Amino acid sequence: DSGVTQTPKHLITATGQRVTLRCSPRSGDLSVYWYQQSLDQGLQFLIQYYNGEERAKGNILERFSAQQFPDLHSELNLSSLELGDSALYFCASSVGVRADTGELFFGEGSRLTVL
Amino acid sequence: DAKTTQPPSMDCAEGRAANLPCNHSTISGNEYVYWYRQIHSQGPQYIIHGLKNNETNEMASLIITEDRKSSTLILPHATLRDTAVYYCIVLGLDSSYKLIFGSGTRLLVRP
Repeated sequence: DSGVTQTPKHLITATGQRVTLRCSPRSGDLSVYWYQQSLDQGLQFLIQYYNGEERAKGNILERFSAQQFPDLHSELNLSSLELGDSALYFCASSVGVRADTGELFFGEGSRLTVL
Repeated sequence: DAKTTQPPSMDCAEGRAANLPCNHSTISGNEYVYWYRQIHSQGPQYIIHGLKNNETNEMASLIITEDRKSSTLILPHATLRDTAVYYCIVLGLDSSYKLIFGSGTRLLVRP
């Protein structure tokens, strides 16, 4: 158990819909990261937040948005869903904001299926 | 961040050492070598990281060549539970933690 909690574990929805994935980081971790893993793309970095502020962005689509709340939990919002958005979405957390501050702890992921 | 090259797959017998190589010939002086693994579709798990010196922890050892252009992750006594995809990642010391996962090496531990 990494200490990172993601909900829901599984989600099935239709094209055009909007979903919200939630992540609670490990106690004490200020940084939250979102990754997408699809069959044909591997693990892709989406976005990073540190203490409520966006710190780094990857190849995140404009239809996707995220935020980190004062209690440090984070939500990833996916809208106008397409079939290609079907993937595992992982959240990770770390104490600091830089790579030299320690390891990333990953949650077990949220599996999104778009029909 | 420098790119890495890993063999797509390897196998080893249970109880034997698993040696997973990684080439990172364009690594720069302030870049770390990190190893993560992903068991089936679980969240990736940190294994070890190093800069110049060899490193060892309870999970594995990391051997980095003197010129830092390649490294080897060693699982000293592989078990069936070590069957996973292993990712070698190079990350700048002062960069944001934007892990770039390549294809990794799929390790199969045989009974």
